[in-house]
Amino acid sequence: QQQVKQSPQSLIVQKGGISIINCAYENTAFDYFPWYQQFPGKGPALLIAIRPDVSEKKEGRFTISFNKSAKQFSLHIMDSQPGDSATYFCAASKRRGAQKLVFGQGTRLTINP
Amino acid sequence: GAVVSQHPSRVICKSGTSVKIECRSLDFQATTMFWYRQFPKKSLMLMATSNEGSKATYEQGVEKDKFLINHASLTLSTLTVTSAHPEDSSFYICSATNPSTDTQYFGPGTRLTVL
Repeated sequence: QQQVKQSPQSLIVQKGGISIINCAYENTAFDYFPWYQQFPGKGPALLIAIRPDVSEKKEGRFTISFNKSAKQFSLHIMDSQPGDSATYFCAASKRRGAQKLVFGQGTRLTINP
Repeated sequence: GAVVSQHPSRVICKSGTSVKIECRSLDFQATTMFWYRQFPKKSLMLMATSNEGSKATYEQGVEKDKFLINHASLTLSTLTVTSAHPEDSSFYICSATNPSTDTQYFGPGTRLTVL
């Protein structure tokens, strides 16, 4: 029940296209869902996060869509750029910040020029 | 700029020695910090939760006597890998929670190589 399942494991998108990464969770007590971006040899960086009281959140080219009834959320990267090539992790926690995050398995995104 | 720092960024040590990794929150006081381990091309695995002024809470399967965690101040947590062995070689990442924003920030990670 603590798992967060992420797909796909890897994704190749052409420059300018839309990258979509999906996550599903089981624990209905989760109420904070962040996405992290990680470059090789670096720590994860918070990209965008959402709480279940909204169905969508957009920040620049990055959008989170949240479906509470299906217990799914996804990251959309619009106008994908080669600089977006990185590994992306979804995560969930029962309470923002202080509670430990449960991470998805990660998606290695490659944007072809 | 970075809000959580780690030192060192990489370390190479001999088998049997101990290594200390520092994690500092730069812009806020963090009552809670977390330590993760990451294997190549894998997700982050939570090792322990570090609480200022109290004992760390270790995840199942993590040896607390091998991975010593100390959270002596609101801006510093340390992870000491004792009697390191080659299988301890990994990427260790800490995170800290900003209580004002309730957001968890990650450090840049420490690459440990045990020869």
